[in-house]
Amino acid sequence: NFMLTQPHSVSGSPGKTITISCTRSSGNVGSNYVQWYQQRPGSSPLTLIYEDNRRPSGVPDRFSGSIDTSSNSASLTISGLKTEDEADYYCQSHDNDNHVILGGGTKLTVL
Amino acid sequence: QVQLVESGGGVVQPGRSLRLSCVGSGFTFSYYAMHWVRQAPGKGLEWVAVISYDEGKEYYADSVKGRFTIARDNFKNTLFLQMSSLRAEDTAIYYCAKDSQTGIVGVTHWGQGTLVTVSS
Repeated sequence: NFMLTQPHSVSGSPGKTITISCTRSSGNVGSNYVQWYQQRPGSSPLTLIYEDNRRPSGVPDRFSGSIDTSSNSASLTISGLKTEDEADYYCQSHDNDNHVILGGGTKLTVL
Repeated sequence: QVQLVESGGGVVQPGRSLRLSCVGSGFTFSYYAMHWVRQAPGKGLEWVAVISYDEGKEYYADSVKGRFTIARDNFKNTLFLQMSSLRAEDTAIYYCAKDSQTGIVGVTHWGQGTLVTVSS
C-alpha cells in the first residue's frame, strides 16, 4: 500500500488562486486515478474532481485537477477563491489490490 | 439527478450487529461499483468497503475485514452494509457512495449519511 500526503492546512484571500497538493508515497501517481472531495462543516462530502481532472456536472470550472509525475503528486487548484470554498479537502486514489486510499485532508481557510 | 439515501443507523451496544441500507436513484445502479465511507466524530474520511457492479468482487479496509460485509441488490437498487461485532471505534457517520465506473476508481456522488453510535 501507499500513502497520500496532504498539507494540514492552506489559506488564501478571496479572488486569489490556491493549490492543494497530494503526494503519493510509492508507486506512480499516474498509475491509478485521483479524485478530490470537498466537505463543508456539517455536510456530506462533494466530489469536485474524478479520474484526475474530470468535473461532475454542476461543479464550477474554478476547480481543476492535475497530475505531476515528476513530483509524484496530484494537485487541486481553486481559482477565484470564495468564502464558501472554506472547507476540508481530501484526495483519494486506489492501489492495485483495489483498496481505496484517502489523504488525511486539508483545511482551507479563506481569509 | 443521482440520489443516494441511507438508512439503518442508530445506537447499538458493543458486540451487537446492525445493517445499513442505501437506495440509489437517478442512474443505472447496476452499472457502477458502490462504496461505504465513514467519518468518526471530528475525524477525517475513512474508506470502509467497496463492491463491484456485478457483486463479483468485494474489498474491505483492514479495520473492518471479517466483521463487516458489503452486498447489493441490483433489482432493488439497494446497497447494504452488514456490521457485526461492533466496537466503540466504529461510531461514525456512514456514507453510501457511487463510483465513476463498474470497477473501483473513486466516488462521484455521496449520500447524506447515517449515524451509527456504538455505546453501552
